[in-house]
Amino acid sequence: NAGVTQTPKFQVLKTGQSMTLQCAQDMNHEYMSWYRQDPGMGLRLIHYSVGAGITDQGEVPNGYNVSRSTTEDFPLRLLSAAPSQTSVYFCASSYRWTANEKLFFGSGTQLSVL
Amino acid sequence: AQTVTQSQPEMSVQEAETVTLSCTYDTSESDYYLFWYKQPPSRQMILVIRQEAYKQQNATENRFSVNFQKAAKSFSLKISDSQLGDAAMYFCAYRSGQGTASKLTFGTGTRLQVTL
Repeated sequence: NAGVTQTPKFQVLKTGQSMTLQCAQDMNHEYMSWYRQDPGMGLRLIHYSVGAGITDQGEVPNGYNVSRSTTEDFPLRLLSAAPSQTSVYFCASSYRWTANEKLFFGSGTQLSVL
Repeated sequence: AQTVTQSQPEMSVQEAETVTLSCTYDTSESDYYLFWYKQPPSRQMILVIRQEAYKQQNATENRFSVNFQKAAKSFSLKISDSQLGDAAMYFCAYRSGQGTASKLTFGTGTRLQVTL
């Protein structure tokens, strides 16, 4: 069991470039989500999914796209990177979407947009 | 909207001593869950402890315990017999028990330093 795997761990982009942050879990979890962590602001939800083919917006979805074609993978796409998207990104999953479920986090991706 | 407030940006404790991290939250809901997460320098988010709002008994996990005061909307974390490995950022988080796939709302975190 690898748990939740995020790639890459670090990335530097230029303004306007696009990229995809990868997230994969091998625990057969229904629920997957993306958070961003900014200094002094805690973690904020970007997008989430309760199963393959189902996604929804979180608190800060602008500038990000997601899809969930398989149970295992939940990639986060930045179509045109902006300096405001400089942050640490975390993918998290749980067996079900219910509130009492323990969330398993990946180790994060540190993204810098110049 | 729910909010979570951690008023202590930094705390320090000596090894083997006890420290309490504060957290308050604002909600009009009656069904919810509260969590404390630890983030060491490795960046990995680790669940420390979880409390269901409908339970009056305070949750305990080994050296970690909470003081859950529902009426006061307070959820503090007590770490007993502090160890060097406890040094980390600690985040308090709230999750609604209503609706589908409700999000975790995090506080801004408390950085805990453990000294010899």
